[in-house]
Amino acid sequence: LAKTTQPISMDSYEGQEVNITCSHNNIATNDYITWYQQFPSQGPRFIIQGYKTKVTNEVASLFIPADRKSSTLSLPRVSLSDTAVYYCLVAPNTGFQKLVFGTGTRLLVSP
Amino acid sequence: GAVVSQHPSWVICKSGTSVKIECRSLDFQATTMFWYRQFPKQSLMLMATSNEGSKATYEQGVEKDKFLINHASLTLSTLTVTSAHPEDSSFYICSATGTSETQYFGPGTRLLVL
Repeated sequence: LAKTTQPISMDSYEGQEVNITCSHNNIATNDYITWYQQFPSQGPRFIIQGYKTKVTNEVASLFIPADRKSSTLSLPRVSLSDTAVYYCLVAPNTGFQKLVFGTGTRLLVSP
Repeated sequence: GAVVSQHPSWVICKSGTSVKIECRSLDFQATTMFWYRQFPKQSLMLMATSNEGSKATYEQGVEKDKFLINHASLTLSTLTVTSAHPEDSSFYICSATGTSETQYFGPGTRLLVL
């Protein structure tokens, strides 16, 4: 399973765009990139998943360069409720593949 | 979307007793379920992979006789912490996957062993 590296923490203010970058230098050809959000004392919540280029949904955008060795989760106009830990995971998109969680990025959004 | 529930949401027990945690997929059939443990300020650690109708596969360092996992149906997996001790106090989270290929996580169960 490809190892991921993310910043330990990030700070932002309400209304700003937040970009969290994840490095995964040894990503395999059949690996997908998935981001989860976790609030204290809750299970992780799926945010977005992608394989290459750009993926966008109602919550976030995911940018993946051609070499796929990194990815960037973009959260537009964050609010206080976006304060959470964000995990980047890389694994084959089988659903049956076990996920290895890294340290995640602790995002703090201030007023 | 896919919903995974856990019961109970929190439990307090005495040292030496056993505790059972249930994980249910409410609106889909889960052929595979995973159990994680999370200590305060730390990331999730995978404990075991559970496939319906077969024995669970435990991660290295996880005692299978202490953490009993049963996946008897396509919508239910249980984790039993046997002879619990204070060091087993943690946040236990399950996830489930069906045909969508995305893992959906339960809300977690907080276990406190006194």
